[in-house]
Amino acid sequence: GAVVSQHPSRVICKSGTSVKIECRSLDFQATTMFWYRQFPKQSLMLMATSNEGSKATYEQGVEKDKFLINHASLTLSTLTVTSAHPEDSSFYICSAPIAGGYYEQYFGPGTRLTVT
Amino acid sequence: SQQGEEDPQALSIQEGENATMNCSYKTSINNLQWYRQNSGRGLVHLILIRSNEREKHSGRLRVTLDTSKKSSSLLITASRAADTASYFCATGTGNQFYFGTGTSLTVIP
Repeated sequence: GAVVSQHPSRVICKSGTSVKIECRSLDFQATTMFWYRQFPKQSLMLMATSNEGSKATYEQGVEKDKFLINHASLTLSTLTVTSAHPEDSSFYICSAPIAGGYYEQYFGPGTRLTVT
Repeated sequence: SQQGEEDPQALSIQEGENATMNCSYKTSINNLQWYRQNSGRGLVHLILIRSNEREKHSGRLRVTLDTSKKSSSLLITASRAADTASYFCATGTGNQFYFGTGTSLTVIP
């Protein structure tokens, strides 16, 4: 069964609004989670590392004020796309490391964001 | 960019044939992983190979790693229609992964 969940699975919003995506680790704690985005027929691009209790670390070229990340608990990280624009439409995927694993991770099922 | 590259970008084969995908990367790694993704869905972890390993098997999957050439290959033997998906390699030195460009595999029944 799924060990990392994401909510919502699909969301459609209007330009200028903000959208929050949740990533939850089920039955295990994750002090670190990762957020990726994937454009159609393209690969996953790491956006940021979410750290429980501290600020997220963003990859080069990712606007931290645009993509707000909050890791409020050991099982929940949220990604908020602020003032969304159509170019933000993408597939957003989170992941969490497997405890005791050798850099192995569980990936969430993804969230399809469409900005109209 | 740390992103790897895969080739071919697209591969179409008949059911029962073998499929080989290649991945090249740029930086030093601790491990390399292969994932599959069905259209519009999340990722499924297939296999992990560590930097000190040269070959690994899992069912119909065979992965090789050549750290001197910074490349890896994924072989799927006796392919099935259900193997149709996109396949990505991912490299990293820690828990941060950088994904390759992916290979879209179509297995024709």
